[in-house]
Amino acid sequence: DAGITQSPRHKVTETGTPVTLRCHQTENHRYMYWYRQDPGHGLRLIHYSYGVKDTDKGEVSDGYSVSRSKTEDFLLTLESATSSQTSVYFCAIRKPGTETQYFGPGTRLLVL
Amino acid sequence: GQQLNQSPQSMFIQEGEDVSMNCTSSSIFNTWLWYKQDPGEGPVLLIALYKAGELTSNGRLTAQFGITRKDSFLNISASIPSDVGIYFCAGFLSSNTGKLIFGQGTTLQVKP
Repeated sequence: DAGITQSPRHKVTETGTPVTLRCHQTENHRYMYWYRQDPGHGLRLIHYSYGVKDTDKGEVSDGYSVSRSKTEDFLLTLESATSSQTSVYFCAIRKPGTETQYFGPGTRLLVL
Repeated sequence: GQQLNQSPQSMFIQEGEDVSMNCTSSSIFNTWLWYKQDPGEGPVLLIALYKAGELTSNGRLTAQFGITRKDSFLNISASIPSDVGIYFCAGFLSSNTGKLIFGQGTTLQVKP
């Protein structure tokens, strides 16, 4: 158990509405990541953070923003949700001194 | 972007059989990770490999870091019904900055 929780676990929203997903960790790890998982694409990196207020883009960052105002929380925001953002979103943390990442339970998002 | 080719895409086997899957890339990796994902859950780390040629076991699972650093293998011996799930490989590139590259997954089904 890597001490990672995600909220909400499920969400249904309408196109054009803003959505914020939260990732919370209890172990004060420096690196945190947001991925999306879609059939046929595996896990793709959206954004990641290497410290408070330090973030960078992943391979599928368009339409997403992130914020990290404290070590334990990493927020993913869809400013104006689109149907193409229907997906399962996973947060992960990186174990210090390694490249090993541990994943949260995921958030299932449906954009109608 | 960089890709990992994971094969096979899916497997349907009889309980008790051994299973092999692999990931290959045209790029050199300095870390290989293997994850398992159950339905509705996040990926769970099975084995981490850090050195070329490394062979590591975790119960009935054995994984190897290829000596060319461009591939990795996962074997499951004497499969049981709870081995059902999706298995992902992930690699960390030598020239990367903390981003994992994921294979597309191998779906394993085990017939009792």
